[in-house]
Amino acid sequence: SQQGEEDPQALSIQEGENATMNCSYKTSINNLQWYRQNSGRGLVHLILIRSNEREKHSGRLRVTLDTSKKSSSLLITASRAADTASYFCAMDSSYKLIFGSGTRLLVRP
Amino acid sequence: KAGVTQTPRYLIKTRGQQVTLSCSPISGHRSVSWYQQTPGQGLQFLFEYFSETQRNKGNFPGRFSGRQFSNSRSEMNVSTLELGDSALYLCASSPSTTNEKLFFGSGTQLSVL
Repeated sequence: SQQGEEDPQALSIQEGENATMNCSYKTSINNLQWYRQNSGRGLVHLILIRSNEREKHSGRLRVTLDTSKKSSSLLITASRAADTASYFCAMDSSYKLIFGSGTRLLVRP
Repeated sequence: KAGVTQTPRYLIKTRGQQVTLSCSPISGHRSVSWYQQTPGQGLQFLFEYFSETQRNKGNFPGRFSGRQFSNSRSEMNVSTLELGDSALYLCASSPSTTNEKLFFGSGTQLSVL
């Protein structure tokens, strides 16, 4: 069973708008990562936030982490059609990376 | 540097058969992890190898096994295939033991008929 849940399951926005995805988890973690997957292909690492960090930025990405609530969010600003993909959070705990259920993002041109 | 290479890309088998999937990690990466991805269960961790040793294993039956060779290449084997084994099998490599950034291959799409 998965130890991470994401919401929303699906998100449809217009190009230029911001997209926010949320991740909740159950176990203690060393770090939390976000990955992107384009239609049935491999996953691509986007960003990592450590358990002692609260916020991190990378280009148009902003990640927050609240370890007291066991939750994280990923914000993609000024979205583009090329951002259309599935996004997964992944919790690093005990030598393995456990993935959340994913959010399918559709960015309409 | 070449990325993570998984072969074959597509595979069709029938129930009861066995299958071996191959993964070549990025040069210099010594950690290899395997994941099963299905629409219903999402991404499920299978196992992870580092320097030919299995460090961790997910909750899968003994029909699922793997190994890693001295050149870090890895194989996973599924015996006595069941319909429910139909999935995208993803391999990922990492340069260290910390799993801080995994590099994924494009996967092997297995269909069991």
